[in-house]
Amino acid sequence: ETGVTQTPRHLVMGMTNKKSLKCEQHLGHNAMYWYKQSAKKPLELMFVYNFKEQTENNSVPSRFSPECPNSSHLFLHLHTLQPEDSALYLCASSQDTGRGPDTQYFGPGTRLTVL
Amino acid sequence: GQNIDQPTEMTATEGAIVQINCTYQTSGFNGLFWYQQHAGEAPTFLSYNVLDGLEEKGRFSSFLSRSKGYSYLLLKELQMKDSASYLCAVLDSNYQLIWGAGTKLIIKP
Repeated sequence: ETGVTQTPRHLVMGMTNKKSLKCEQHLGHNAMYWYKQSAKKPLELMFVYNFKEQTENNSVPSRFSPECPNSSHLFLHLHTLQPEDSALYLCASSQDTGRGPDTQYFGPGTRLTVL
Repeated sequence: GQNIDQPTEMTATEGAIVQINCTYQTSGFNGLFWYQQHAGEAPTFLSYNVLDGLEEKGRFSSFLSRSKGYSYLLLKELQMKDSASYLCAVLDSNYQLIWGAGTKLIIKP
């Protein structure tokens, strides 16, 4: 238990569906992150939020839409996804934005399959 | 471009020692992390090195050579529960984490 929870753990969706991934951290951290993890590939940083403000958007397609209502919660809204978007989506949090040797704490991920 | 290299997969025997290497080429360096990730679980923090040398934490040790752009994770007295993927990540000059693809470690009895 890392103090970061994600729901759902598994999600299967069609290309026309709309779904949302949820992340919650119980560590009192100020920064939250979304990553995409595909088999045998490095973690891809998607979005970073610091104090609820988005500070990074690494050229992610608009079919992924993040939302951070407060420092403890982070959502990833999904719509009209493609099969190549199937992956493990990991949420992480850290004390700060990474302007220093911040350790990131990860949730268990949502395994997403797009049919 | 920025690059982190680590072996894709390694196999070792229970009770033995294994060394997982990581080489990096990044825009600046502000430290190197090792994470462990069991299948279907969250990556968990193992170590952080920013100065050259060896840091020991129980059965796990992490080594860094900044001049060579090289690190290794040393696991001693291997246990079956050590079967996992080990992720190397470097903090670059912009404090962005650059990740390797991970090394899958298989422990055999």
